[in-house]
Amino acid sequence: DAGVIQSPRHEVTEMGQEVTLRCKPISGHDYLFWYRQTMMRGLELLIYFNNNVPIDDSGMPEDRFSAKMPNASFSTLKIQPSEPRDSAVYFCASSFQLRETQYFGPGTRLLVL
Amino acid sequence: QKEVEQDPGPLSVPEGAIVSLNCTYSNSAFQYFMWYRQYSRKGPELLMYTYSSGNKEDGRFTAQVDKSSKYISLFIRDSQPSDSATYLCAMSPMDSNYQLIWGAGTKLIIKP
Repeated sequence: DAGVIQSPRHEVTEMGQEVTLRCKPISGHDYLFWYRQTMMRGLELLIYFNNNVPIDDSGMPEDRFSAKMPNASFSTLKIQPSEPRDSAVYFCASSFQLRETQYFGPGTRLLVL
Repeated sequence: QKEVEQDPGPLSVPEGAIVSLNCTYSNSAFQYFMWYRQYSRKGPELLMYTYSSGNKEDGRFTAQVDKSSKYISLFIRDSQPSDSATYLCAMSPMDSNYQLIWGAGTKLIIKP
């Protein structure tokens, strides 16, 4: 298995633009997580899905952020409109069970100018 | 107060030293404890996993849980420059409906 795949690896955009981050989880994993990591706040859970259904989105910072999982092999995290404070590394992770090992993707480095 | 506290470091030690990394937590319901290692510009990867109290050893790494003190530790023996990374603790209660709660991570630097 190739592991969790994320794209793009790097994204530079201007304030106000829409940003879409993509994730392909490990095949067979029922859980998918979106995290944001910054120096100031560390690793923050934004939202997680179980069998394509969003379970907890309490970590999503505001309405500008949305996430979807249309099928078991694909998820998106969208920011519209983007702001400079959204600059961070966004990780996608997947696991068999909620409490078991989470396998992280390489992350997307987002810079909003 | 955060549920999980972890000193962000950086912690710099000479090669060959014994390293001690620690997390404290406030929720006495936590039962599952994990240590993840994150190399620069990479995603975190699971290093050690323990349940409840006690010690677990894997090669040069030992994870220790003291539930009475709400304190977990990761020890690295004979530290190597390749151990230089950020180490994050994560934990959750017995209830399978809870997701992991993460520490902020400690940056470790092993000097050759």
